[in-house]
Amino acid sequence: AQSVSQHNHHVILSEAASLELGCNYSYGGTVNLFWYVQYPGQHLQLLLKYFSGDPLVKGIKGFEAEFIKSKFSFNLRKPSVQWSDTAEYFCAVISEGGGADGLTFGKGTHLIIQP
Amino acid sequence: EPEVTQTPSHQVTQMGQEVILRCVPISNHLYFYWYRQILGQKVEFLVSFYNNEISEKSEIFDDQFSVERPDGSNFTLKIRSTKLEDSAMYFCASNRQGMRQETQYFGPGTRLLVL
Repeated sequence: AQSVSQHNHHVILSEAASLELGCNYSYGGTVNLFWYVQYPGQHLQLLLKYFSGDPLVKGIKGFEAEFIKSKFSFNLRKPSVQWSDTAEYFCAVISEGGGADGLTFGKGTHLIIQP
Repeated sequence: EPEVTQTPSHQVTQMGQEVILRCVPISNHLYFYWYRQILGQKVEFLVSFYNNEISEKSEIFDDQFSVERPDGSNFTLKIRSTKLEDSAMYFCASNRQGMRQETQYFGPGTRLLVL
């Protein structure tokens, strides 16, 4: 079974600071990896995803993530955060294979950006 | 941009009562999912559904739960006899082809409180 670990449950940064949110997964096979964001009062929406090719993926709003297979990691980064990035961030994984199946989520990281 | 919608946004019920949570997936999507998030815990996969059948289900999805596509637009989750521990946020999601690397689009959730 897959599992996802997000190391930081709460992160507080000032505007313009750089961000890195950690995500590690455990699964022996091929996986697809996702970062979702939930802004206050809104639904989960996709930031970015990786399923093959270049391990450095770029998403919306200036976010990027790097898949490091040897470390089972998929950390999310942004060079300069804004107040509007305040949200809950979820890393998720799904194994490669046939059939519709559910995502396995981490516990989430609550990011607060102070103006 | 089309969105997944869910009703009601909040529901309060007495223990032992039946509840039905409703979702309208994106119109050309064929694969549907339910997840739940107990307060302070991870988003957890419950069930996936395709072609009027359950495709996959987790160990959480026991005989208390059922899903249905009663018409061409709605997708419902029924909890037959609610327990206190069913209190959670329930999210519906959908995608077009059910492929593992395909983005799942989430609704805003229904917050269920069982008293």
